[in-house]
Amino acid sequence: GQNIDQPTEMTATEGAIVQINCTYQTSGFNGLFWYQQHAGEAPTFLSYNVLDGLEEKGRFSSFLSRSKGYSYLLLKELQMKDSASYLCGPTPGGSYIPTFGRGTSLIVHP
Amino acid sequence: NAGVTQTPKFRVLKTGQSMTLLCAQDMNHEYMYWYRQDPGMGLRLIHYSVGEGTTAKGEVPDGYNVSRLKKQNFLLGLESAAPSQTSVYFCASSYPRPGTSTDTQYFGPGTRLTVL
Repeated sequence: GQNIDQPTEMTATEGAIVQINCTYQTSGFNGLFWYQQHAGEAPTFLSYNVLDGLEEKGRFSSFLSRSKGYSYLLLKELQMKDSASYLCGPTPGGSYIPTFGRGTSLIVHP
Repeated sequence: NAGVTQTPKFRVLKTGQSMTLLCAQDMNHEYMYWYRQDPGMGLRLIHYSVGEGTTAKGEVPDGYNVSRLKKQNFLLGLESAAPSQTSVYFCASSYPRPGTSTDTQYFGPGTRLTVL
């Protein structure tokens, strides 16, 4: 089975930096997805980490520690449009199909 | 390219009625998936398919059936709808092995289903 834990809700100020953590326990492990989902819309891909370390992609970065079962998504220079849910999705061993956590609802205020 | 499309976008059913949700993709993806999303529950995998003619169960398969007769289509069926199946249903497709920097799983716009 899989156990995925991420905060339910976070708030931050426009222009600030926020870190969304995700811990997981899976039967084996291949990699971990992060998706962004605006209210009423489909999830959209942000990142897929396979190796330990930080991967940077513009204002968004994703970190993975395989040994600790831990990942985080770092959002810099927050904008109002970053208000959304962020879904953490590890893929278990032998599969590349993610299982998603409940998501973190991020609210960015002026 | 249209990407991943879903039909219908909205539907209201009465308990016991049946219906089929259609998912189509034009990206020649091998893998296709059906998820449901409920408030506070995140995305949960119902069924998936790793290729034409194959299907497999996900986390919450009970009450649903699927078929993948053509590579581009993945159908989700509810034989006898129940109020517990009120949800938003997302279809997705992908290549078999995700890369480290590619957009690998594409989602459709969703179907909002209400069962009364």
